[in-house]
Amino acid sequence: QLQLQESGPGLVKPSETLSLTCSVSGGSVSSSLYYWGWIRQPPGKGLEWIGSMYYSGRTHYSPSLKSRVTISVDTAKNQFSLTLSSVTAADTAVYYCAAHESLTPFDYWGQGTLVPVSS
Amino acid sequence: SSELTQDPAVSVALGQTIRITCQGDSFRNYYASWYQQKPGQAPVLVIYGKNSRPSGIPDRFSGSSSGNTASLTLTGAQAEDEADYYCNSRDSSGDHVLFGGGTKLTVL
Repeated sequence: QLQLQESGPGLVKPSETLSLTCSVSGGSVSSSLYYWGWIRQPPGKGLEWIGSMYYSGRTHYSPSLKSRVTISVDTAKNQFSLTLSSVTAADTAVYYCAAHESLTPFDYWGQGTLVPVSS
Repeated sequence: SSELTQDPAVSVALGQTIRITCQGDSFRNYYASWYQQKPGQAPVLVIYGKNSRPSGIPDRFSGSSSGNTASLTLTGAQAEDEADYYCNSRDSSGDHVLFGGGTKLTVL
């Protein structure tokens, strides 16, 4: 059973870069079985897809965030990462890493990590 | 289209049936998925594909679709079903994931 765990800073200042890592257990980030992604949820609001990465390295990003987002994989550490540049208070959210198999939607989720953006 | 539209809130009496809907052009080409989210918890997938339930999801949850509207039906609502429900699909390119705004279900 695939398990995911987010980690990262507890606070990010405006205009800086948010960086989060998702540690994967029970499967390999280099496996062709899985697709990896990030979703966020501002406090009291709905879910927003940030982007996804496929085992081939191909990535797709939300059009509204594309200019600021990068998703990458570290096969040696069995992790995948999110960087979001030039953050503002509007980027304050619980950030979830998630995964899915080819014929399903996201069905494996981390517990989520709250990242406040504040000076 | 790049939007999925849900009613913000609905309510159902204990033991009764409720249909939660989601509108979007995506459903003409892609199936909807549905997530249940309780306060402080990560979303849980309850329906995907034509009408499939992941292991452990009760059979009182079912999904359907007609035209540009996808539906999640809860037959015999239980108190533990009170939660936010999000629909999910892809845009016309198939490359981008979409979520609806969520529906808050209250079980009376």
